Amino acid sequence: GESVGLHLPTLSVQEGDNSIINCAYSNSASDYFIWYKQESGKGPQFIIDIRSNMDKRQGQRVTVLLNKTVKHLSLQIAATQPGDSAVYFCAEIEGYSTLTFGKGTMLLVSP
Amino acid sequence: GAVVSQHPSWVICKSGTSVKIECRSLDFQATTMFWYRQFPKQSLMLMATSNEGSKATYEQGVEKDKFLINHASLTLSTLTVTSAHPEDSSFYICSARSTSGRYQETQYFGPGTRLLVL
Repeated sequence: GESVGLHLPTLSVQEGDNSIINCAYSNSASDYFIWYKQESGKGPQFIIDIRSNMDKRQGQRVTVLLNKTVKHLSLQIAATQPGDSAVYFCAEIEGYSTLTFGKGTMLLVSP
Repeated sequence: GAVVSQHPSWVICKSGTSVKIECRSLDFQATTMFWYRQFPKQSLMLMATSNEGSKATYEQGVEKDKFLINHASLTLSTLTVTSAHPEDSSFYICSARSTSGRYQETQYFGPGTRLLVL
């Protein structure tokens, strides 16, 4: 059932700033990682992914960094816009098993 | 590409009735589809994994007789919440994994179905 009093970590930024959302993953054998964006009332939307044989991958305004040594993943959003406001989830997977989701971070962008 | 749809987007039903939710991959074939449940301000909780033409695999604690899953084709999976009760009210989201493409492990999500049981 629902956990009472659970709060998502929140990152508040000003429009135009760069945002960095962090994620610690748990399985050292995970070899594929995905960042998803979830707006209120909608399903998660694929943003960017990265393989474990890479440490950086860039997309349009987004960059994912992977540090396997400390099992850390980050999502950088350049020139953050109000439309970027959402909850961001990292997800990890080992082989063809199921995705394991992180807890999520809420990004709030002020105009 | 990689669009997943769900129907209905929201449903309100009386306690004791059954509700069917459809999940379709629109522009790709999905041998595997997943059903998640999400409570407010929480992450997605995997309920079950369904492979086309075989029985679904349920996560621990998820009642298979309560949440019936059918994956009859490479583009369609259905979740039926049987004898729904208020505690089943939640946001149900499906995802699909492509059989081809750059990374076949990538899951694409549907827009979700909001279920409210009165």
